[in-house]
Amino acid sequence: DQQVKQNSPSLSVQEGRISILNCDYTNSMFDYFLWYKKYPAEGPTFLISISSIKDKNEDGRFTVFLNKSAKHLSLHIVPSQPGDSAVYFCAASEVNRDDKIIFGKGTRLHILP
Amino acid sequence: ETGVTQSPTHLIKTRGQQVTLRCSSQSGHNTVSWYQQALGQGPQFIFQYYREEENGRGNFPPRFSGLQFPNYSSELNVNALELDDSALYLCASSPRTGRGNTGELFFGEGSRLTVL
Repeated sequence: DQQVKQNSPSLSVQEGRISILNCDYTNSMFDYFLWYKKYPAEGPTFLISISSIKDKNEDGRFTVFLNKSAKHLSLHIVPSQPGDSAVYFCAASEVNRDDKIIFGKGTRLHILP
Repeated sequence: ETGVTQSPTHLIKTRGQQVTLRCSSQSGHNTVSWYQQALGQGPQFIFQYYREEENGRGNFPPRFSGLQFPNYSSELNVNALELDDSALYLCASSPRTGRGNTGELFFGEGSRLTVL
């Protein structure tokens, strides 16, 4: 039973355009959501997060949107750059329950020149 | 500031053997989590150690065990290896200061285990 779902295994976007990565979750008790980025042969690195009390969080080119009623979040990257080519993992946790962070399967983003 | 380091980076074992993977947490971080990432999957939570005690466990059998040392470094031990244990094992540290972890983990590069 996958509690965090990333239904697009891969996504290709032209350099300079907007990349939108989507994530759905099933556990309504999740109260903190994160995006991690992973390059080959490296561990995942934290990118951006959002608490369930917010619906948007922005950090430079990266914005995460949360729609709690739809149990959906998305990561927008504007403008997309070649260095953004990586695997992006959506993750979620119940901060006040335990320390288990649940990850999705990831979406591989290709930025095309 | 030294990041999270893991050893070994690659290793090959045969079914039934035992393996120990090691992790040094980032300076100042007192919490270590271990994850298993199988091919094509996201990282799956194995367990977490805080102040040398197991503090949360995922859906993994008891043959997966761990330790945390006073310097916050950690080991993951897997007994009776099975073919499905072949995966990338990721260690992550965090500066947890109280109950609850917002999940901003700092990962090492991982140890890739192949079980033949």
